[in-house]
Amino acid sequence: EVQLVESGGGLVQPGASLKLSCVASGFTFSDYWMSWVRQTPGKTMEWIGDIKYDGSYTNYAPSLKNRFTISRDNAKSTLYLQMSNVRSEDTATYYCTRDGYYWGQGVMVTVSS
Amino acid sequence: DVVMTQTPVSLSVSLGGQVSISCRSSQSLVHNNGNTYLSWYLQKPGQSPQLLIYKVSNRFSGISDRFSGSGSGTDFTLKISRVEPDDLGVYYCGQGTQYPWTFGGGTKLELK
Repeated sequence: EVQLVESGGGLVQPGASLKLSCVASGFTFSDYWMSWVRQTPGKTMEWIGDIKYDGSYTNYAPSLKNRFTISRDNAKSTLYLQMSNVRSEDTATYYCTRDGYYWGQGVMVTVSS
Repeated sequence: DVVMTQTPVSLSVSLGGQVSISCRSSQSLVHNNGNTYLSWYLQKPGQSPQLLIYKVSNRFSGISDRFSGSGSGTDFTLKISRVEPDDLGVYYCGQGTQYPWTFGGGTKLELK
């Protein structure tokens, strides 16, 4: 059974950095592109970016490219999202997905002072 | 970016009834490889989105044949027949043809 479990969320101050993790199981992690999607409190879905199965290539939403970095550790079957200089508008539930086919349960990030 | 427009925003249905949800894209979703990467998701209350339909009309593993997807180019439809209580929630369409992926605003399916 495919499982994706995100962690690392919480309350963070504006301007700070935060790193989210997503541990995958039930499939060969190194065979798949992985992506991050977030959902705002108003329920808008926003794609953040994705990373190639070997970690050699990434794509990002243009509006987030300068502050967010996606990486992976295939030995640990783990996907990461490094968020820097966070803003109030980054408040959302963050999901990792495998190809958009499987989704994790999500992790909440609240940016507030 | 490709803008995805879903209608209606909300829908009321009786159990056992049938509904259709429309999704229109601002550009053709036909990829250079000939595939059309249009998906439908259902987000039940308190849960993460789950894939129902991929590449316009293909039901994902374990998805009931009461769900069907159709369409081409820029105009797509999700039909749900014999609606059951477990079908209630918010439906989203999404495109993966062109970066960045984008999603519709959602259609909330409620009981009449």
